[in-house]
Amino acid sequence: EAGVAQSPRYKIIEKRQSVAFWCNPISGHATLYWYQQILGQGPKLLIQFQNNGVVDDSQLPKDRFSAERLKGVDSTLKIQPAKLEDSAVYLCASSLVRGSLGYGYTFGSGTRLTVV
Amino acid sequence: DAKTTQPPSMDCAEGRAANLPCNHSTISGNEYVYWYRQIHSQGPQYIIHGLKNNETNEMASLIITEDRKSSTLILPHATLRDTAVYYCIVWGFSGNTPLVFGKGTRLSVIA
Repeated sequence: EAGVAQSPRYKIIEKRQSVAFWCNPISGHATLYWYQQILGQGPKLLIQFQNNGVVDDSQLPKDRFSAERLKGVDSTLKIQPAKLEDSAVYLCASSLVRGSLGYGYTFGSGTRLTVV
Repeated sequence: DAKTTQPPSMDCAEGRAANLPCNHSTISGNEYVYWYRQIHSQGPQYIIHGLKNNETNEMASLIITEDRKSSTLILPHATLRDTAVYYCIVWGFSGNTPLVFGKGTRLSVIA
């Protein structure tokens, strides 16, 4: 089966600019996650969707980050305006159902964002 | 926050067994131990998981102590392609909890 697709692969922007990342999960996967991974650290959950509804966005900096999952398939994560500390890899993952057993997560390769 | 403690880095000679330890002293009775790995420039990938018993699959073996406070992931014959960051994760099937990652162990397999 096709994996989780993410684009772009790399992005360099200046601080205070805006940026958007796109994720296409595995077909049929109802749950979608966005993780932020700062260099040298493990991934940190930003937001979790179940179909097109938000399940958990408690770790999302809502003053600058937003995410949506229209029609319960593709998702976009946006940062506006970007700060230097937003430099990280943004990983998208999907699972078949909410609360899937922990082996059911499939991750994309991520988007590496550099803010200068 | 992650519920596990792992050494930040380890080395292993190619062809030898790699033994990666993990402490999870606060694990609850209904929580599993999961291992994922992340190869450079890729997303994390599932390896193996267990509750109480030792487990083995085509990738690795998982040894869980009787008191379940620690575990060891074993890669029986490490290759250069096993060089990666390995994450030990304690996860309970509550219907909503996502995977929570710590910093993991960076394993370097040396030729």
